[in-house]
Amino acid sequence: KQEVTQIPAALSVPEGENLVLNCSFTDSAIYNLQWFRQDPGKGLTSLLLIQSSQREQTSGRLNASLDKSSGRSTLYIAASQPGDSATYLCAVYPPGAGSYQLTFGKGTKLSVIP
Amino acid sequence: KAGVTQTPRYLIKTRGQQVTLSCSPISGHRSVSWYQQTPGQGLQFLFEYFSETQRNKGNFPGRFSGRQFSNSRSEMNVSTLELGDSALYLCASSSGQANTGELFFGEGSRLTVL
Repeated sequence: KQEVTQIPAALSVPEGENLVLNCSFTDSAIYNLQWFRQDPGKGLTSLLLIQSSQREQTSGRLNASLDKSSGRSTLYIAASQPGDSATYLCAVYPPGAGSYQLTFGKGTKLSVIP
Repeated sequence: KAGVTQTPRYLIKTRGQQVTLSCSPISGHRSVSWYQQTPGQGLQFLFEYFSETQRNKGNFPGRFSGRQFSNSRSEMNVSTLELGDSALYLCASSSGQANTGELFFGEGSRLTVL
């Protein structure tokens, strides 16, 4: 059974700092990996999708990398801002066509202090 | 382009009642997935529909059911509600193309069972 772990569970940093969020998974036979952010009481906002054949994706100040062989992904946030404060979740897609039965980590709650 | 729309956003029920939640996917998306989010268990997959057919089902009791209509809108139903069913129910849509489609989530329906 696939298990996804995100460490740390919570992180507090001063504004402007660069930071890395970690995601590890037990079964390397995944297809895609997706990072989301969730604000309190809200739904999930997609940040980056790393597809099967890719090793990283970038969007603005965000960069996500994926190493399937080691079962790890990292989300790098450059020059953090108070607006980045949220819970960040990673999710892995199972192998095989047409499945959206994702396995999620419990998330990292990020607080960026002005 | 409108996002994923879920209704109702909030609802309160009592034990033993049943509830129906609705989800309208992004226009053109044919896959709809449902997830349950609780503080203790995190996000857990309920089921996924594609072209009116259930493609995958998570490990939930038969009290949880769903369906998808020809216009891709989906509903999920929970019968004989229990206190433990209190959660945020999230719907997500995708193009449904063999694991390359990105998942997009709605704002969720927050169910409280008293």
